[in-house]
Amino acid sequence: QSALTQPPSASGSPGQSVTISCTGASSDVGGYEYVSWFQQYPGKAPKLMIYEVTKRPSGVPNRFSGSKSDNTASLTVSGLQAEDEANYYCSSYAGNNIWVFGGGTKLTVL
Amino acid sequence: EQLVESGGGVVQPGGSLRLSCAASGFAFSRFNMHWVRQTPGKGLEWIAFIRWNGGDQYYADSVKGRFIFSRDNSKNTLYLHMNSLRADDTAVYYCAKDGNNFAFDVWGQGTMVTVSS
Repeated sequence: QSALTQPPSASGSPGQSVTISCTGASSDVGGYEYVSWFQQYPGKAPKLMIYEVTKRPSGVPNRFSGSKSDNTASLTVSGLQAEDEANYYCSSYAGNNIWVFGGGTKLTVL
Repeated sequence: EQLVESGGGVVQPGGSLRLSCAASGFAFSRFNMHWVRQTPGKGLEWIAFIRWNGGDQYYADSVKGRFIFSRDNSKNTLYLHMNSLRADDTAVYYCAKDGNNFAFDVWGQGTMVTVSS
């Protein structure tokens, strides 16, 4: 049950695009189409932004998109806005009713 | 759809605590559920899963053998019984709904557990 690997920080200017990576293994990210991404503001509960690698829940702006290649998933935020500044976490199903999270990435809007 | 956790507090090492999570606004008995915790200033850690009918539970290695996850579908409530608590169990504990898509689509506000002498 090793944590997924995310960069600790990412940044971009308003209007730009930024991509956050999430690297796992063939036993989790690479083995299932069940990668999710969460946005969390300090002191608040996480919010689901992406599920099943690429799908957006109702109400999530289409500026947020997800993808996956082999053992690495990615979250791209296009047209950065000030309100996107938050912590982002990935998670993946890892088989046998076990899930694993990434360590989180702090996104700063410059 | 709403989840509300309760039962957090300060407990001594080796002690026990029971968290509750009350669900409303959705067909609780149809969904698998989870507990996820977050240590202060750190990341998220999945710790437990329970099937919609309470038939089986799965745990992260870090809590296996010490924590017990149960549910009462007649009361729309989850429970996390935490035993043999250690300092590294100090965290905010969230209950989360599984949207039948292996994703946590609804989260509670969290309840803080502090293990300290």
